[in-house]
Amino acid sequence: NAGVTQTPKFRILKIGQSMTLQCTQDMNHNYMYWYRQDPGMGLKLIYYSVGAGITDKGEVPNGYNVSRSTTEDFPLRLELAAPSQTSVYFCASKDSSLANEKLFFGSGTQLSVL
Amino acid sequence: DAKTTQPTSMDCAEGRAANLPCNHSTISGNEYVYWYRQIHSQGPQYIIHGLKNNETNEMASLIITEDRKSSTLILPHATLRDTAVYYCIVRHATSGTYKYIFGTGTRLKVLA
Repeated sequence: NAGVTQTPKFRILKIGQSMTLQCTQDMNHNYMYWYRQDPGMGLKLIYYSVGAGITDKGEVPNGYNVSRSTTEDFPLRLELAAPSQTSVYFCASKDSSLANEKLFFGSGTQLSVL
Repeated sequence: DAKTTQPTSMDCAEGRAANLPCNHSTISGNEYVYWYRQIHSQGPQYIIHGLKNNETNEMASLIITEDRKSSTLILPHATLRDTAVYYCIVRHATSGTYKYIFGTGTRLKVLA
């Protein structure tokens, strides 16, 4: 069981470039989340989704876009990358059952914008 | 969701109990307390959660005060592998609120 898979693991972007961070889960979870973590800091919620076709903003959505066309995939799009977006990005998923409150995280994508 | 306050860092001797406090003085009656930890640069890992009663699982115990304004995560016999950042989160657990907001957490260092 692969769980939550994020690709790529590392990426260097130039200012103004765009890219998509991929996240897929094989647990049939309805809820999915994107977080960013700056060095030495806690996690900040970027966007989340409660099911296919439904997304909503978190704490720090500016500069990012998401889509949720399938239950399995929740890609995060960076348009016009900026140095302030240098961070580690984590994707997470969760079952919608109230009896199962565990968030499952991927291993992260380390992004540097230079 | 209620905000939480945690100490920035703590040390604990190996083999001793690690008691990590969390203040959530604005918690409402239907908000749960969750604990996660993040070892090095890995994704956070679920530890435990509770509403008002004390909870225990194979990883830890969660003690919630009677007024629910604070809680303590207890690792009964800390090992070096428990060195991590521990996050306390308060979240409404019924439908309508799905956001998990992480704070800055407590950096626990277990000393040999």
